[in-house]
Amino acid sequence: GQQVMQIPQYQHVQEGEDFTTYCNSSTTLSNIQWYKQRPGGHPVFLIQLVKSGEVKKQKRLTFQFGEAKKNSSLHITATQTTDVGTYFCAGFVIQGAQKLVFGQGTRLTINP
Amino acid sequence: DGGITQSPKYLFRKEGQNVTLSCEQNLNHDAMYWYRQDPGQGLRLIYYSQIVNDFQKGDIAEGYSVSREKKESFPLTVTSAQKNPTAFYLCASSFVRGGNTEAFFGQGTRLTVV
Repeated sequence: GQQVMQIPQYQHVQEGEDFTTYCNSSTTLSNIQWYKQRPGGHPVFLIQLVKSGEVKKQKRLTFQFGEAKKNSSLHITATQTTDVGTYFCAGFVIQGAQKLVFGQGTRLTINP
Repeated sequence: DGGITQSPKYLFRKEGQNVTLSCEQNLNHDAMYWYRQDPGQGLRLIYYSQIVNDFQKGDIAEGYSVSREKKESFPLTVTSAQKNPTAFYLCASSFVRGGNTEAFFGQGTRLTVV
């Protein structure tokens, strides 16, 4: 079935360092979405990318969608302790019925 | 106050019993989803539904059942056939047309088999 792979599974950084997580799909996606889940919480939507090659920024966060609409990345510049959590990509797949398939997530921890 | 509501927040079940998790949304979303999350793991899709009276199996549907009798409601039943049901269950909903398919999640139900 549809697979969305995300790496790395864990990342520990010093506060102020950059962080990147990568997402790859086995098939072309209609769109890619990114979510953040704080410990003990539920995933919260960050952004959606739709167009091939699209790049979007939210303050220190930069999101990219690949040209083939099969891969994506999230880059955080100069991490802060508030960035702690698990970041998920989710691909919106249209194969008959439409469904949202999540990657395994990257858990970010930060040393202050 | 619009949103998506899951209940209960915590649920304990004896082995061999079926249990139903509730999910209600008043966002007028077409699609609803059930995911399972195990400690330190990602979200695995159990079932999803785009319209009333129609639903599809996700990647781990065995041992689960759902219904979509109303647009607002998508209950999940964890049956005794599910071999390892202890997990965190998340319900979500979204539009499927109009370009914005952002998913809104409920607070989750933490199910423990005792």
